Amino acid sequence: LAKTTQPISMDSYEGQEVNITCSHNNIATNDYITWYQQFPSQGPRFIIQGYKTKVTNEVASLFIPADRKSSTLSLPRVSLSDTAVYYCLVGDRDDKIIFGKGTRLHILP
Amino acid sequence: EPEVTQTPSHQVTQMGQEVILRCVPISNHLYFYWYRQILGQKVEFLVSFYNNEISEKSEIFDDQFSVERPDGSNFTLKIRSTKLEDSAMYFCASSEVSVDSGNTIYFGEGSWLTVV
Repeated sequence: LAKTTQPISMDSYEGQEVNITCSHNNIATNDYITWYQQFPSQGPRFIIQGYKTKVTNEVASLFIPADRKSSTLSLPRVSLSDTAVYYCLVGDRDDKIIFGKGTRLHILP
Repeated sequence: EPEVTQTPSHQVTQMGQEVILRCVPISNHLYFYWYRQILGQKVEFLVSFYNNEISEKSEIFDDQFSVERPDGSNFTLKIRSTKLEDSAMYFCASSEVSVDSGNTIYFGEGSWLTVV
């Protein structure tokens, strides 16, 4: 399993765009990059997944450079309800999913 | 949207008692998982289950723990002789085997276990 490194915490303000970057220097050819969101006392929730370039859905965008050694989760125009822990995970379909400590995002009014 | 459901949402048990946590995975999913999260700590993998057997387990998942899929829809986690340190939120999860989508798994809302 590729090791991931992401900031422990981030603060931002409502209406801002938030970018959370994850480093995964040892990513393997078959590995996908997946981001989960977790609110207090709830289970992690899938946000977005990608393999290369850019992926966008109704919640977020995921930017993956050509070398795939990092990825950036972009949350457009955040609101107070986006305050949560965001986890970056790297692995393929045969791996168990291991969570790191994630990034605690705190949105301020 | 289909979801993983867990019962009970909260259980209080005395130390030494047995607890069974229940989960109904998403119906077309084939891989099932249990995770736990002690208050304020990270989400920890316990066990994965596929084709009616354990496919992987962590060091946490010792002889005190067992899993079962008794009837084709439920997936249970049994904790024998609970200890105070077993107090945690236990999450069930499931995933559909798909070559194209990596290992996206879907979590339930959790069962909060308090051992007193």
